[in-house]
Amino acid sequence: EVQLVESGGGLVQPGGSLKLSCAASGFSFSGSSIHWVRQASGKGLEWIGRNRNKAHNYATEYAASVKGRFTFSRDDSKNTAYLQMNSLKGEDTAVYYCTPIEYGKWASFDFWGRGTLVTVSS
Amino acid sequence: DIVMTQSPLSPPVTPGEPASISCRSSQSLLNSDGHHYLDWYLQKPGQSPQLLIYWGSYRASGVPDRFSGSRSGTDFTLEISRVGPDDVGVYYCMQALQSPFTFGQGTKLEIK
Repeated sequence: EVQLVESGGGLVQPGGSLKLSCAASGFSFSGSSIHWVRQASGKGLEWIGRNRNKAHNYATEYAASVKGRFTFSRDDSKNTAYLQMNSLKGEDTAVYYCTPIEYGKWASFDFWGRGTLVTVSS
Repeated sequence: DIVMTQSPLSPPVTPGEPASISCRSSQSLLNSDGHHYLDWYLQKPGQSPQLLIYWGSYRASGVPDRFSGSRSGTDFTLEISRVGPDDVGVYYCMQALQSPFTFGQGTKLEIK
């Protein structure tokens, strides 16, 4: 059974930093790209980027809204992905989801975690 | 960036009746592998999104055959043949052809 558990969310002041984790199980983590999607309260879904796997040189891509402030990383030995968020702004307040695509097996976001809430406020 | 456009609301649907939700992309979503990289997701109230349709018309695992996807040019349609109470929520289309992946604004489906 595929499981994705995001954690690390919480209240942070504007300009602060936070690091989210995405613990995965039930699929080939090392064979997957990990995507991050966020959703502000009452708003739509926003793709913020992806972290590809070793076979793709762990390449990362970021949405313009977070580029230069957010950094994706992963530890394949722990089946865990990370999202380092710096210089946080009020508009970064959202639920953050991780969702994998296993290369050659899944065509898109077949599995989602429950998300973790990040609140940026003074 | 590819812009995905959805109508924010669909007319309330009577249970058992069909419903359709539209999504338009600002450019072709055709990939070199011959697939159109358009997904449909449903986010039920209080839940994470769930994949319904990928590549424009392929049902995801476990999705009832009441759901189907189609395409005409850059216009995509999600059809529900017989709407049920469990289908309420917000439906999103998303293009996965190129980075940044982009979602439509979402279409809320309500039941009469």
